[in-house]
Amino acid sequence: AQSVTQPDIHITVSEGASLELRCNYSYGATPYLFWYVQSPGQGLQLLLKYFSGDTLVQGIKGFEAEFKRSQSSFNLRKPSVHWSDAAEYFCAVGANDMRFGAGTRLTVKP
Amino acid sequence: DAGVTQSPTHLIKTRGQQVTLRCSPISGHKSVSWYQQVLGQGPQFIFQYYEKEERGRGNFPDRFSARQFPNYSSELNVNALLLGDSALYLCASSLAPRQRGNTGELFFGEGSRLTVL
Repeated sequence: AQSVTQPDIHITVSEGASLELRCNYSYGATPYLFWYVQSPGQGLQLLLKYFSGDTLVQGIKGFEAEFKRSQSSFNLRKPSVHWSDAAEYFCAVGANDMRFGAGTRLTVKP
Repeated sequence: DAGVTQSPTHLIKTRGQQVTLRCSPISGHKSVSWYQQVLGQGPQFIFQYYEKEERGRGNFPDRFSARQFPNYSSELNVNALLLGDSALYLCASSLAPRQRGNTGELFFGEGSRLTVL
């Protein structure tokens, strides 16, 4: 069965610092992988996705993620965090019947 | 183009009542999925529908049901509400699995927040 683990429940970084959010997945085949962001009271917005090809994928808002099959990971990165990046981040695997991790809440310190 | 629209945005019900949530997908999308997001957790898959048939179901009791209409809109019904059904219910639309250009990406609405008292 497909599943996603996000080991970090809450991360705090200073504005301008780099960010890495971890995601590990379990999937029987080549996975479709996604990162979504959710601001309070809002729906989910897609940041980026991977389903084939280059293992380093670029997304919106300066985010990128790297697919590492050997580690079953799809970590999200950003070189310099902005205060507006504070939100909940969800990693997801699968297509159509997508399965989500529990999320990582990002706090940005001024 | 309009995104995924859901109604109502907020509602309050009491235990034992029934609720119907509605979703209109993005134009051209034939697949609709429903997710439950309890506060502090990630979305949990409830149903996927396309071509008016249930194509996938998560681990939810039979109190949860859904349907899809010829115009691809969808309704989620929950009967005999429990306190634990309080959550944000998210609808997502996507291209159907065999539609050209499908990469599995889901497009989410803003959700319907259900409070059960």
